Order: sequence, then structure tokens, then C-alpha cells
Amino acid sequence: KAGVTQTPRYLIKTRGQQVTLSCSPISGHRSVSWYQQTPGQGLQFLFEYFSETQRNKGNFPGRFSGRQFSNSRSEMNVSTLELGDSALYLCASGLDPAGQDRLFGAGTRLSVL
Amino acid sequence: AQSVTQLDSQVPVFEEAPVELRCNYSSSVSVYLFWYVQYPNQGLQLLLKYLSGSTLVKGINGFEAEFNKSQTSFHLRKPSVHISDTAEYFCAVSLRGFQKLVFGTGTRLLVSP
Repeated sequence: KAGVTQTPRYLIKTRGQQVTLSCSPISGHRSVSWYQQTPGQGLQFLFEYFSETQRNKGNFPGRFSGRQFSNSRSEMNVSTLELGDSALYLCASGLDPAGQDRLFGAGTRLSVL
Repeated sequence: AQSVTQLDSQVPVFEEAPVELRCNYSSSVSVYLFWYVQYPNQGLQLLLKYLSGSTLVKGINGFEAEFNKSQTSFHLRKPSVHISDTAEYFCAVSLRGFQKLVFGTGTRLLVSP
């Protein structure tokens, strides 16, 4: 059974550009959540989706957006990149939104130059 | 709102010695509690979780944790650590019915021979 797949694994962008990160959940999982991990702020919640609906959103500026497709795959987009957006972005998938189970992907490491 | 406090940022320990990583949480409602481990350049792996029932929870790799409602704690223990346990450990909580996790700042476990 394939795990949670995040693509790409590494990404280098420059300030002002935009970026799209992808997350493919485990087959059958319909819940996806995203986190940003930085040395200074630690692990912070970005979004939570279930059946294409955003159920919860973290305290991030509007430059951060996300969506979930009908096949449960999810994308997050960051526009007008800033140096502080450099981070490891983690995606987790769950069977349902109950919160009892979730599996994390390996993450996408974004470097903004 | 929920919050998690991991009092120790780093815990050095010798191989085969016991270890306890401390976690305290704050929440006005019932939550689920989790411990995750992160190895360098990897995502988060679930060690164990408390959902309900028995307050002593056993996880993978010989780890266990005890939920203490009166002290709002969920400390992680291992009776004998190995070099391979060197990693970052995160305590987290989630509200029942939501995938969103609130993480502590992490504890780096350093196991030396």
C-alpha cells in the first residue's frame, strides 16, 4: 500500500515567485491536512480538507491557499514568495476527519532565495 | 484553544539508559494526544496515541506514554534507549472530530554510546 506522496521533494524558488506543492493521500483516504515546519516557528497548521471542502485554516496570510480535488489529491499554493516561506511543508492524510488517524508524507523542502 | 508544552528542548542520554520526554497540554475540551518522531530529512512517524480508555499507551519501538488528566500531561518513556532512537520527538493534540494537530516545540533526544 503506497504511502502519502508529496511532490516535488525539493524546490528552489526566488522571492516574488509562486509555487504549487502537491499531496497524494493514501488510497481511500479523504482527509488531507498541511503543515509548515521551520526552525523558528516549529510545526504550524496550514489547512485541513475533507471531500473537497476546507474545514479548518491556520493563521497564515492570504498568500497561502489550498484546494482538494475529487480524487482527494490536494495542492497548496504560495504566491509572492518571501524568504521566510523557506520551510519543510508536510502533508498528512486520514481516512476521515475524526482526527484519530493520519499518516504523514516525507514533505517538500522549499528554499526561497 | 489548545496548546502543547515540551519543557525539554534537548535530552542527552547514554545508550541502554531509560528516558522520559515530558509533554504538558492545555485544552478546555477533550482532545486526542499523540507522540511523533522525526528523523533527519524525513516526515513524521507516529509512535503512539491516546484516544480514550486505558491511560497507559504502548507504541512502536518500545515506547510508551501515560495520560494524566489531572496533571494534563502525556509523558513519553522508554526503559532502554538505542543509538537509533536519536531523533526529534514531537507531542501533539487534536480536537475530536478534526484532523488539525497542534504541536509542541519538539525535544531532541541524543543517545550516545
